[in-house]
Amino acid sequence: GESVGLHLPTLSVQEGDNSIINCAYSNSASDYFIWYKQESGKGPQFIIDIRSNMDKRQGQRVTVLLNKTVKHLSLQIAATQPGDSAVYFCAETVGDYKLSFGAGTTVTVRA
Amino acid sequence: NAGVTQTPKFQVLKTGQSMTLQCAQDMNHNSMYWYRQDPGMGLRLIYYSASEGTTDKGEVPNGYNVSRLNKREFSLRLESAAPSQTSVYFCASSVKEGGQPQHFGDGTRLSIL
Repeated sequence: GESVGLHLPTLSVQEGDNSIINCAYSNSASDYFIWYKQESGKGPQFIIDIRSNMDKRQGQRVTVLLNKTVKHLSLQIAATQPGDSAVYFCAETVGDYKLSFGAGTTVTVRA
Repeated sequence: NAGVTQTPKFQVLKTGQSMTLQCAQDMNHNSMYWYRQDPGMGLRLIYYSASEGTTDKGEVPNGYNVSRLNKREFSLRLESAAPSQTSVYFCASSVKEGGQPQHFGDGTRLSIL
């Protein structure tokens, strides 16, 4: 079946550096994507979303890039801070609310 | 502003026992969802309610029932708990009818022995 997955289960980054978290999806019909952040013991938190008619979207310190040709999604975090340590999930959907979530990437920020 | 509140936060059950997980949101959102999260996996949708008075099955509904009691509350019931239902359960809401989940609760950690 279709699936969403992240390239790497863990990512270690130096405080102040930029982070890039990658996600591959297999359903070429997916038209809406969301990135969530989940801190330990908490529920997921919506970070940013992007629709398939866009290639790039920026938020506060975060940028999501979508490459539909290779079915790849990335989340870039600028000037990574200790508070960015968390598990990051990408999720996709085809026209409705039944999101499919990837397994997540654990980001650890080194001081 | 509490957002999405789930009770209880932790629970241990014996196989065959029943239990209802409670969820309430104070944001006047239309859609509500129940997910489960297992170790090393993403969230999987159990049931959702696109609007008050409607409920539908998600990806993994077997062994569960739901009730959209009113616009604020959406409960998840395990009629006869099984060890395979040991998981962390998250409730979520969205302002849009049938929209994607925007706000999540902090979860109920359920262990079934």
